Amino acid sequence: GQNIDQPTEMTATEGAIVQINCTYQTSGFNGLFWYQQHAGEAPTFLSYNVLDGLEEKGRFSSFLSRSKGYSYLLLKELQMKDSASYLCAVIDSNYQLIWGAGTKLIIKP
Amino acid sequence: IAGITQAPTSQILAAGRRMTLRCTQDMRHNAMYWYRQDLGLGLRLIHYSNTAGTTGKGEVPDGYSVSRANTDDFPLTLASAVPSQTSVYFCASSAGTSQDTQYFGPGTRLTVL
Repeated sequence: GQNIDQPTEMTATEGAIVQINCTYQTSGFNGLFWYQQHAGEAPTFLSYNVLDGLEEKGRFSSFLSRSKGYSYLLLKELQMKDSASYLCAVIDSNYQLIWGAGTKLIIKP
Repeated sequence: IAGITQAPTSQILAAGRRMTLRCTQDMRHNAMYWYRQDLGLGLRLIHYSNTAGTTGKGEVPDGYSVSRANTDDFPLTLASAVPSQTSVYFCASSAGTSQDTQYFGPGTRLTVL
């Protein structure tokens, strides 16, 4: 079966750095998304990786290793507004989007 | 302002009743999707439409139906609601392929009693 694993919950301190991991076992790979979802709101796009390596976008970066079936989202200079769930989603060989359950990130002052 | 809207925002429904959740986008996107989101589970695809006039089944289609008469609208119908359909429902759209960013509506919180 297809599976995406993310930690259920993480806690970090304001101003610090946090890395949210995502490992996947899917039938093929055609890209990986990260979305942010604040409580009670809709998911919003953060990043898209299809090639190995690091994509940097301001305070957020996303890394992909296709050979390891692994990605991470790196958040720097954490702010209270970064408290949210972070969803990893993988496009499989049939171009279907498979979603992880998400990681709830709690930021403490 | 371009975007995607859903109605109603929330609804409490008696089991056995019929309910249609509405979704409209003004971005001229070809593809539209309906998801349900339950605590501890990822977003699960109910139905999708790659272009107006076509629809397809997702991961959890039973008990739901959709139509795509035009580009903008993609209603989701529960023919006879059951308590297990209590969930938050999100509609999304994308330009056309699974590699395109999906834009989500604000969601409908549905409770079936």
